[in-house]
Amino acid sequence: QLQLQESGPRLVKPSETLSLTCIVSGDSISSNGYYWGWIRQPPGKGLEWIGSINYIGHTYYKPSLRSRVTISVDTSKNQFSLKLTSVAAADTGIYYCARQNGGTYLRWFDSWGQGALVTVSS
Amino acid sequence: DIVMTQSPDSLAVSLGERATINCKSSQSILYTSNSKNYLTWYQQKPGQPPKLLISWASSRESGVPDRFSGSGSGTAFTLTINNLQAEDVAVYYCQQHYNSPLTFGGGTKVEI
Repeated sequence: QLQLQESGPRLVKPSETLSLTCIVSGDSISSNGYYWGWIRQPPGKGLEWIGSINYIGHTYYKPSLRSRVTISVDTSKNQFSLKLTSVAAADTGIYYCARQNGGTYLRWFDSWGQGALVTVSS
Repeated sequence: DIVMTQSPDSLAVSLGERATINCKSSQSILYTSNSKNYLTWYQQKPGQPPKLLISWASSRESGVPDRFSGSGSGTAFTLTINNLQAEDVAVYYCQQHYNSPLTFGGGTKVEI
């Protein structure tokens, strides 16, 4: 059974870098046909796609976040990561990692992690 | 960006009754070459991640009760919950995957 688990600091200071890792178990991140994405949700608000990556490192980002976002993959550890630079209070929220099936990042998210609440505050 | 607009923002439905949630896209998300609508529905219960309910606008995921159904095409879509149960209390989101960036509707909260 596929499981995704977000890990990383839950408190980040303004202007610093948010770093999260999604540990995948129950399936290989290198399996063809999957993309792996990050989605965030400000407290009490809706969902926002951040970006996606596949096992060979093809990445796609939301244009408005592209200048601050890096998503990477480590197939040896079966995990992928998110870095968001120059964070501000508006970046506070729950960060989810999730899987996309179908061989493209233009797809839905069929399995989700439980989410990590990251607060940006000094 | 394709803007996804859901309505209403919230609705209260009696147990056993029907809930109807609307989702409109700012442009057509029907891919004419395969006749598929690139529209997905999720359910999010408090404190939980979203759960995939329906893909391709009307295809229910395995294990999703058949009281959930999706319909619509082009720019207008509907999620219908028949015979509402207490466990259906949640926020429901639509998402388009027609093009980048992937975008979600603002959510509809369903209460009893």
